[in-house]
Amino acid sequence: RKEVEQDPGPFNVPEGATVAFNCTYSNSASQSFFWYRQDCRKEPKLLMSVYSSGNEDGRFTAQLNRASQYISLLIRDSKLSDSATYLCVVNYGQNFVFGPGTRLSVLP
Amino acid sequence: EAGVTQFPSHSVIEKGQTVTLRCDPISGHDNLYWYRRVMGKEIKFLLHFVKESKQDESGMPNNRFLAERTGGTYSTLKVQPAELEDSGVYFCASSQDLGRVGDEQFFGPGTRLTVL
Repeated sequence: RKEVEQDPGPFNVPEGATVAFNCTYSNSASQSFFWYRQDCRKEPKLLMSVYSSGNEDGRFTAQLNRASQYISLLIRDSKLSDSATYLCVVNYGQNFVFGPGTRLSVLP
Repeated sequence: EAGVTQFPSHSVIEKGQTVTLRCDPISGHDNLYWYRRVMGKEIKFLLHFVKESKQDESGMPNNRFLAERTGGTYSTLKVQPAELEDSGVYFCASSQDLGRVGDEQFFGPGTRLTVL
């Protein structure tokens, strides 16, 4: 079993749609969770950290379920500019383990 | 504030040659990480420096890879001799040491290495 798993997609959605990504991780000792966004041929950039209580940043909502070792990202009112690969990232000790990423294409 | 920078942005070399990649972290960041993404695979951890010390190098694929961070500022990653399977994008990241596990890491633009 991979340490961090994601549905690779692609998710093709129309502008304005709501889309949700899921991620599961295998190490129950992980304490830090992040969603990074990576545009084509660019570096990963932090989208948001994921907290136990869940957190929201504008159109983006992240949730963590420690019991199920599951993280989610919800994007509301999708924009064309949201098209990218979304990487689920989990710490293992001091280091990060990346999921394979989920590709999102928002279509006009 | 300047972000993480990496040099070169691209490198094309022949199998058996040597290549050295450089990373300049964000000023004041004690933690420096190297990652690699090979075609079609996820980003994989290579190693982690805290200042000039190697904290964890469990991700280094073999002894053809040598990373240094003399003086605790910039870091270099040398591949010698390069093999075809070393092709990929090498990312560097840095983070502050705020005493928490897994602080946010800021990534550089990466070096795209092609070994022919």
